[in-house]
Amino acid sequence: QSALTQPASVSGSPGQSITISCTGTSSDVGGHNYVSWYQQHPGKAPKLMIYDVSNRPSGVSNRFSGSKSGNTASLTISGLQAEDESDYYCSSYTGNSTLYVVFGGGTKLTVL
Amino acid sequence: QVQLVESGGGVVQPGRSLRLSCAASGFTFSNSAMHWVRQAPGKGLQWVAVISYDGSNKYYADSVKGRFIISRDNSKNTLNLQMNSLRPEDTAMYYCARVGLHTSSWWSGSDIWGQGTMVTVSS
Repeated sequence: QSALTQPASVSGSPGQSITISCTGTSSDVGGHNYVSWYQQHPGKAPKLMIYDVSNRPSGVSNRFSGSKSGNTASLTISGLQAEDESDYYCSSYTGNSTLYVVFGGGTKLTVL
Repeated sequence: QVQLVESGGGVVQPGRSLRLSCAASGFTFSNSAMHWVRQAPGKGLQWVAVISYDGSNKYYADSVKGRFIISRDNSKNTLNLQMNSLRPEDTAMYYCARVGLHTSSWWSGSDIWGQGTMVTVSS
């Protein structure tokens, strides 16, 4: 099972919006609504930002939003702030008994 | 304070075994399914295994199936990962993570993560 495909890096200026894509297949992203997004600062544990494609856990800023179209999920961050600079990972349930959960390779967000 | 604390990592030779533990506190551990996720140095996240709230169901990634065993002791609020026949490619930071309380599905995202314990497999 291949990892989900994410851009290696994205960047934006404070106040702008950016979108990170996460492309899979009909077996994972396209076939289930169990897409999650995690934020990971260097040397820290991942933090859940979005679950079930578009839901935010309690305490996560509403500047973070998720969506899905076909085999591609997206994370949008609006009103970029310096503290958003981090690595972001998508993940999806696959329903495949060889690998139930697959992650993307990660995207480094730089706030210019 | 809701918390997960991993322990047991270290340097081990290929072919040897290691047992990781994850101590839970601040929530009802026996109600939560749990995952192990790993991250090789400088690399992305990789799912390893999941266990149901009562330990009756367990699923593994193919890369560790037959070598790793996930288990839990709800009386001690502890999650374990027994790692046998270790390989250099198992070198990674190992995180335990709680299935989010927002859901009844194991696959719906993990809302609490430990800080990780590093495992290095090298001769």
